[in-house]
Amino acid sequence: KAGVTQTPRYLIKTRGQQVTLSCSPISGHRSVSWYQQTPGQGLQFLFEYFSETQRNKGNFPGRFSGRQFSNSRSEMNVSTLELGDSALYLCASSLDTGGVSYEQYFGPGTRLTVT
Amino acid sequence: GENVEQHPSTLSVQEGDSAVIKCTYSDSASNYFPWYKQELGKGPQLIIDIRSNVGEKKDQRIAVTLNKTAKHFSLHITETQPEDSAVYFCAASLNSGYALNFGKGTSLLVT
Repeated sequence: KAGVTQTPRYLIKTRGQQVTLSCSPISGHRSVSWYQQTPGQGLQFLFEYFSETQRNKGNFPGRFSGRQFSNSRSEMNVSTLELGDSALYLCASSLDTGGVSYEQYFGPGTRLTVT
Repeated sequence: GENVEQHPSTLSVQEGDSAVIKCTYSDSASNYFPWYKQELGKGPQLIIDIRSNVGEKKDQRIAVTLNKTAKHFSLHITETQPEDSAVYFCAASLNSGYALNFGKGTSLLVT
């Protein structure tokens, strides 16, 4: 079974631009979560989607948004990029049957560099 | 919110020795505690997890213990091998599909 895939793997953007990252979960997984990883703050939860609805949200500004499609694929968007947004963005998927949730499996991440 | 502290931040052991990494958490409502291994250039890989109704879980050379009263849990790796070298993260959550609150990580070096 294929794992979680994320595209692109690397991205360089300029301050003020916006960026969209994509995540394809493991087949059959309906929950997708996004995390930001930086050397200073570590791994921090951004948001989680299930059945195209945002179910949980972390403590990040409104510039960070996401969505989930009917096939469970997810995208996250960061608008008006700041230097501090440089990070590894990780997507994790989980088999969630709507009543019981399971382990989260991570993709390789998208390395975003803002210059 | 939940605060997870992880110690030590770096750990160096000789091949064949055991390694222990400890984590404490603050929210008594947390009931799911996974451990992840992250190698350079890769995403975190789930290696073992434990739920609050279990005190200990073992998988070959890896074991995790949980003390809910003291709000701490530990990862034990026995007979360490060079390929165990990586950064290890503990996490706590209200449920396995909910937001994971991570510790800052432990860089393990096996020589």
